[in-house]
Amino acid sequence: AQRVTQPEKLLSVFKGAPVELKCNYSYSGSPELFWYVQYSRQRLQLLLRHISRESIKGFTADLNKGETSFHLKKPFAQEEDSAMYYCALSGGSNYKLTFGKGTLLTVNP
Amino acid sequence: DGGITQSPKYLFRKEGQNVTLSCEQNLNHDAMYWYRQDPGQGLRLIYYSQIVNDFQKGDIAEGYSVSREKKESFPLTVTSAQKNPTAFYLCASSIRDARTGYTFGSGTRLTVV
Repeated sequence: AQRVTQPEKLLSVFKGAPVELKCNYSYSGSPELFWYVQYSRQRLQLLLRHISRESIKGFTADLNKGETSFHLKKPFAQEEDSAMYYCALSGGSNYKLTFGKGTLLTVNP
Repeated sequence: DGGITQSPKYLFRKEGQNVTLSCEQNLNHDAMYWYRQDPGQGLRLIYYSQIVNDFQKGDIAEGYSVSREKKESFPLTVTSAQKNPTAFYLCASSIRDARTGYTFGSGTRLTVV
């Protein structure tokens, strides 16, 4: 069975402060992890995936297999980063993504 | 202009009635998915389909049915057997499998009255 846990429902930071959205997963094999983002009145969209090792909009995420975590980080938060963020996992030979419950990030001016 | 179209945006249904939500994509994606999004619950998988004429149950398939007669279309029927159907429904597609990333539709909000 695979599970994704996002321990924070809500996260509030000030503009310019660092932000870290936590994601822990449970999966016995080699997982592939993703972050999806949903801005207000927009569709859910892919932000980044661990396999690409990329930085998107200043966000990075590192897969830590020892701690089974895939936390999303940004050194200096911007107001436009305010959104709902979902961590997701793809494991095994099946084709589905398992999502966490999401974290609502609010960046205050 | 490629993408996924879900219709209608809002849907009202009386208790005891079946209702079908439409999902169409012109991205030439092989795989399609239906998720249900509830506040505080995240996204939960209802059904998914990897290829035409084939689909699998997700985590919360009870009370729902799907078909995949064409590559472009993956309609979801919410039956009267679904005990708590009021929710926001999201359709998604991917090129092959989930590892390539999903493209999401804009969703359908279903309200049972």
